Amino acid sequence: GENVEQHPSTLSVQEGDSAVIKCTYSDSASNYFPWYKQELGKRPQLIIDIRSNVGEKKDQRIAVTLNKTAKHFSLHITETQPEDSAVYFCAASNDYKLSFGAGTTVTVRA
Amino acid sequence: EAQVTQNPRYLITVTGKKLTVTCSQNMNHEYMSWYRQDPGLGLRQIYYSMNVEVTDKGDVPEGYKVSRKEKRNFPLILESPSPNQTSLYFCASSKRTARVVDTQYFGPGTRLTVL
Repeated sequence: GENVEQHPSTLSVQEGDSAVIKCTYSDSASNYFPWYKQELGKRPQLIIDIRSNVGEKKDQRIAVTLNKTAKHFSLHITETQPEDSAVYFCAASNDYKLSFGAGTTVTVRA
Repeated sequence: EAQVTQNPRYLITVTGKKLTVTCSQNMNHEYMSWYRQDPGLGLRQIYYSMNVEVTDKGDVPEGYKVSRKEKRNFPLILESPSPNQTSLYFCASSKRTARVVDTQYFGPGTRLTVL
C-alpha cells in the first residue's frame, strides 16, 4: 500500500517568515495530493490540493509543489501569521484510498 | 447547513462490549470514510465506501466493520473492542469523482476509550 512520510514533525517559525513542509510517497500510481490543517481540538479541514497533472498550485499565502519523478510534494506558507499555528497533514490518494502523513505541528512565534 | 455528524462524541467502554459509532452526512455525497487519529501516526483510513452497498478496506481495517445501507449513513462497528482501539475517530464524506478522492469533509470526531 501507499506510504506517506512527512517532515519535519515540528516546525517553529517567526511571524512573517515562511514555513515549508515536505512529504514523500511510495506509490507512483497516486494521483491526488491534499493538505489538511487541524487546529487544536478541531476537525481536519482541506487547505489546498494538487492533482498529478499539475506541478504547482497557489492560493494566496499557501502553495503546493509536486515532483512526480521524485515522488515528493511540499507545502509552502509565506508571511506566516499566528492563526497558521496548527497541525498540518499531507496525504496521497490512489483510486479511492487516502493515506496521510504523520503530521507537522507548526508554531508561529509572535 | 451542510455537515457531517457523529455520535457519540465521547465514549468510555470495556473490552469486548460491542459498540457502534454513527456517522451521517446531509450533502448527498457518494463517498464516505472512517479514520482513526493517534499521536505520531496521523490519520489512518479504516474503511471507505464509494456508494451504497459498496465498501472496501483502508490501511487499518482489523477489528472494525462498516455498512452502507443508505447513502447518508456509514456506521462504524467494533464487535469486540480492545484497548488498542482507544483513539480519536473521524468520519468524512466527499463527492466521488473519477478515480480520485475529492475534498474530505470531516465530522467532529469521536473520542473512544476502551478499558
